Amino acid sequence: DGGITQSPKYLFRKEGQNVTLSCEQNLNHDAMYWYRQDPGQGLRLIYYSQIVNDFQKGDIAEGYSVSREKKESFPLTVTSAQKNPTAFYLCASSRKTGAGTEAFFGQGTRLTVV
Amino acid sequence: GENVEQHPSTLSVQEGDSAVIKCTYSDSASNYFPWYKQELGKRPQLIIDIRSNVGEKKDQRIAVTLNKTAKHFSLHITETQPEDSAVYFCAASLGTYKYIFGTGTRLKVLA
Repeated sequence: DGGITQSPKYLFRKEGQNVTLSCEQNLNHDAMYWYRQDPGQGLRLIYYSQIVNDFQKGDIAEGYSVSREKKESFPLTVTSAQKNPTAFYLCASSRKTGAGTEAFFGQGTRLTVV
Repeated sequence: GENVEQHPSTLSVQEGDSAVIKCTYSDSASNYFPWYKQELGKRPQLIIDIRSNVGEKKDQRIAVTLNKTAKHFSLHITETQPEDSAVYFCAASLGTYKYIFGTGTRLKVLA
């Protein structure tokens, strides 16, 4: 069953702690993305990666870090430097083409700071 | 920088009426414009897309139009049904695998 999987679905973090969100895809997609979704603000790009061992900052990268050691995996770490981490996080992937292609989304992780 | 504006933020229509959502993009190099539907608590899913070499595309009750000169594109849903109720996002891509999303439109179809 092909797709993109995020885990966990819900995550609680204490202030000052780092936490890592998992994203795995078996679609053989080259590109992967992390978005943050807040009410009324749409989807804001945190980081994206076009190829293994390479990634670029999006519009709101501060306080986040990523790695892309394998084509299938693109984990996101929310660090203690992120001042307002409570949000819904969506991972996505797409094929590498020149003319644009559909992005497939995971089911999301809702992170709450307690 | 790159920006996509989406209007309206909320839209209520009577069942059977049409709904129109509009987006404007800033980067004239954008060449791919997808529309995503996100039902409550679920992941966004592609419903229709259009490339810059096409002015209009239709799929049953859904259509998208693109005006490259004015840098705007619109989603049209005809004969709306309660199951069309969701949040709709437009996006623009420059073909560099980077999608810029609009802020979303919450569509409510009233029975």
